[in-house]
Amino acid sequence: GQNIDQPTEMTATEGAIVQINCTYQTSGFNGLFWYQQHAGEAPTFLSYNVLDGLEEKGRFSSFLSRSKGYSYLLLKELQMKDSASYLCAGADSNYQLIWGAGTKLIIKP
Amino acid sequence: IAGITQAPTSQILAAGRRMTLRCTQDMRHNAMYWYRQDLGLGLRLIHYSNTAGTTGKGEVPDGYSVSRANTDDFPLTLASAVPSQTSVYFCASSKLAGAQETQYFGPGTRLLVL
Repeated sequence: GQNIDQPTEMTATEGAIVQINCTYQTSGFNGLFWYQQHAGEAPTFLSYNVLDGLEEKGRFSSFLSRSKGYSYLLLKELQMKDSASYLCAGADSNYQLIWGAGTKLIIKP
Repeated sequence: IAGITQAPTSQILAAGRRMTLRCTQDMRHNAMYWYRQDLGLGLRLIHYSNTAGTTGKGEVPDGYSVSRANTDDFPLTLASAVPSQTSVYFCASSKLAGAQETQYFGPGTRLLVL
């Protein structure tokens, strides 16, 4: 079966670093996405990885290991506005996205 | 402003009623998608369309139908609503159908079926 696992909730402190992990099992693999979703709003694109390694984009970085079926999203210099849910999604062999339930990130001052 | 619009924003619907959720994009994207989002679950694909004139079934298509008469519009119809269809519905689009394509989401429709 196809499955995406990520923690339900995490708490971090403003200014700190947090790593949100995601493990995936998909029928075939065509890349891994991270989206951000603020409460009551639509998901918005953060990153896409299809090759192993780290992709850095400002305060946000995303890592992929295809052999381990594992990805993480790294958020640096946390700001209060980073409080949101972070959704991990894997693209399967049919190019459909399989979504995790999301990790709710709570930032404390 | 370019993007995706959905209507209505929210709706309370009696079970058994027919309802069409509207979705329009002005980005000239070829591919469009309908998802539902329920608490504790990931987004689940209902139906998709890779290009105007074609549609396909996603993970949870039962009870829903779609049409894609043109590039811009992708309405989702609930033929006879049931309480289990209470959810937040998101329409999304991407430039092309493909794994590497970023999907852009509309603001969502919150539907309560009683």
